[in-house]
Amino acid sequence: EAGVTQFPSHSVIEKGQTVTLRCDPISGHDNLYWYRRVMGKEIKFLLHFVKESKQDESGMPNNRFLAERTGGTYSTLKVQPAELEDSGVYFCASSRQAGGTEAFFGQGTRLTVV
Amino acid sequence: QKEVEQDPGPLSVPEGAIVSLNCTYSNSAFQYFMWYRQYSRKGPELLMYTYSSGNKEDGRFTAQVDKSSKYISLFIRDSQPSDSATYLCAMRGNAGNMLTFGGGTRLMVKP
Repeated sequence: EAGVTQFPSHSVIEKGQTVTLRCDPISGHDNLYWYRRVMGKEIKFLLHFVKESKQDESGMPNNRFLAERTGGTYSTLKVQPAELEDSGVYFCASSRQAGGTEAFFGQGTRLTVV
Repeated sequence: QKEVEQDPGPLSVPEGAIVSLNCTYSNSAFQYFMWYRQYSRKGPELLMYTYSSGNKEDGRFTAQVDKSSKYISLFIRDSQPSDSATYLCAMRGNAGNMLTFGGGTRLMVKP
């Protein structure tokens, strides 16, 4: 069984540019989560999808961040325009059941905004 | 004050030692307690989780939860160099799906 896959593994962009991160969850997992870790901080929740619906987006920092999950399969997280403080590692996780207790994480996308 | 506190380490132990990793938390609503292992440049990997108070054992790993003290522990017996990684605790309440993570403890097991 393939794990959670994230693309790209690393992205370096200039301030003001747009970046789109992609997450392919484990097949059959309706629940998909985005988390991020900025330098020196803990991993923080961003949002949770159940299939294509946003169940909880309370962790999204501001309206420069847009997450989508078309068709309930893969998900994208777009940052537009990127700011320096957006630098960090963005993790995607998926789980079969809600709750995230047994969520499987991807390897993360390291985003560097310069 | 952070909701979940975890000593960042690094914690350095000789191979074969018993390792104790700990987290404290402030939110009494937390009911599910997870331990993740993260190798460098990889994503967190779930080791085990417990619900409410008590102990849970899986091979060389034992998780303990003391809700009265708001304190959780992960014990690793017969530690191996391959256990060298960052260990993250995470927790959540009964409602919602958001995990709250500690900052992680870096463990180094020396041969």
